[in-house]
Amino acid sequence: GEDVEQSLFLSVREGDSSVINCTYTDSSSTYLYWYKQEPGAGLQLLTYIFSNMDMKQDQRLTVLLNKKDKHLSLRIADTQTGDSAIYFCAETRSGTYKYIFGTGTRLKVLA
Amino acid sequence: EADIYQTPRYLVIGTGKKITLECSQTMGHDKMYWYQQDPGMELHLIHYSYGVNSTEKGDLSSESTVSRIRTEHFPLTLESARPSHTSQYLCASRDGDSPLHFGNGTRLTVT
Repeated sequence: GEDVEQSLFLSVREGDSSVINCTYTDSSSTYLYWYKQEPGAGLQLLTYIFSNMDMKQDQRLTVLLNKKDKHLSLRIADTQTGDSAIYFCAETRSGTYKYIFGTGTRLKVLA
Repeated sequence: EADIYQTPRYLVIGTGKKITLECSQTMGHDKMYWYQQDPGMELHLIHYSYGVNSTEKGDLSSESTVSRIRTEHFPLTLESARPSHTSQYLCASRDGDSPLHFGNGTRLTVT
């Protein structure tokens, strides 16, 4: 079945770049997403990419997609303490209800 | 930006009580979802709806029920709360293939 995997923890120093990785198994994925969850809150959509794209940049965020390896990454430039949160990647196929979420990566930014 | 509202934000209730968690969205989205999430952990889909009068069970078996009488409203009901129901409940919605947007969640504690 479909599966999305992420590493559980990442720790970086303030001002450095963070790279959060995600692998998925569904070769029919149409859309891939990154969400941010702060303590006690819901998931906030950060960015998403269509499966026919390789890269998308939005201010400090860069998403890279390697469709051959089914690997998605989120790079956060100039990481700030406010970026400390759990980051979920997710994938879905056009026309279906189903979102497959990863287990989340807890990012800790050290001052 | 989707506006999706969940009430209450926090609920502490005794075993055996009936509870309804409210979820409303103002964007006219056709699809609505309920997820259960233990703090900082992965999301489990418990119910979803394609539209009015359409509800389906998700991947995680749940003793809760839902209804979709109006497009904007998707309440979740537990007939008899138990300590095992203690969790965070997240409501989400989307229109067609658009990204999923989440409410801030209801943190339920059953004593």
